[in-house]
Amino acid sequence: KQEVTQIPAALSVPEGENLVLNCSFTDSAIYNLQWFRQDPGKGLTSLLLIQSSQREQTSGRLNASLDKSSGRSTLYIAASQPGDSATYLCAVRTNAGKSTFGDGTTLTVKP
Amino acid sequence: NAGVTQTPKFQVLKTGQSMTLQCAQDMNHNSMYWYRQDPGMGLRLIYYSASEGTTDKGEVPNGYNVSRLNKREFSLRLESAAPSQTSVYFCASSGGQSKYTEAFFGQGTRLTVV
Repeated sequence: KQEVTQIPAALSVPEGENLVLNCSFTDSAIYNLQWFRQDPGKGLTSLLLIQSSQREQTSGRLNASLDKSSGRSTLYIAASQPGDSATYLCAVRTNAGKSTFGDGTTLTVKP
Repeated sequence: NAGVTQTPKFQVLKTGQSMTLQCAQDMNHNSMYWYRQDPGMGLRLIYYSASEGTTDKGEVPNGYNVSRLNKREFSLRLESAAPSQTSVYFCASSGGQSKYTEAFFGQGTRLTVV
């Protein structure tokens, strides 16, 4: 059974810092890995999708990497802003029908 | 472009009542999903539909039924609500021509069973 772990559970940083969020998974036979953002009381917003054959994806200040063999992904946020405060979730798809989610990392960026 | 639309946004039920959560997507996606999100438990898959006409159980299907009405719509029914079903429910969709595409989520339905 696929298990997905996100560490740390919570992170607080001052504005302007670069930071890394971690996601690890136990079964390396994945189709893809997707990073989401969730604001309080809202749905999930897709940030980046990395296919199993890819090593990284970039969107603006966000960069996600994938090391399938070691079962790890990181989400790098450059020059953090208070508006980046949210919970970040990673999800691993191991077959066409199912994704397993981590519990998320709650990020607070202080002005 | 609306994406994934869920109704209702909020609902309070009494124990034993029934209700149907509605979900529709306008992205021509093949696959649709229902999740529940609970504090400390993360997101758990209830049911999914890989394509029109098919449905399969996820991790926590007990107490729920689903219907894939057509390619756009996927509903979740609670036949006899229980307090343990108090949760936030999310519908998602993915896939156009490829099963490797990203998933998109609705805004959620906050359900309280008293």
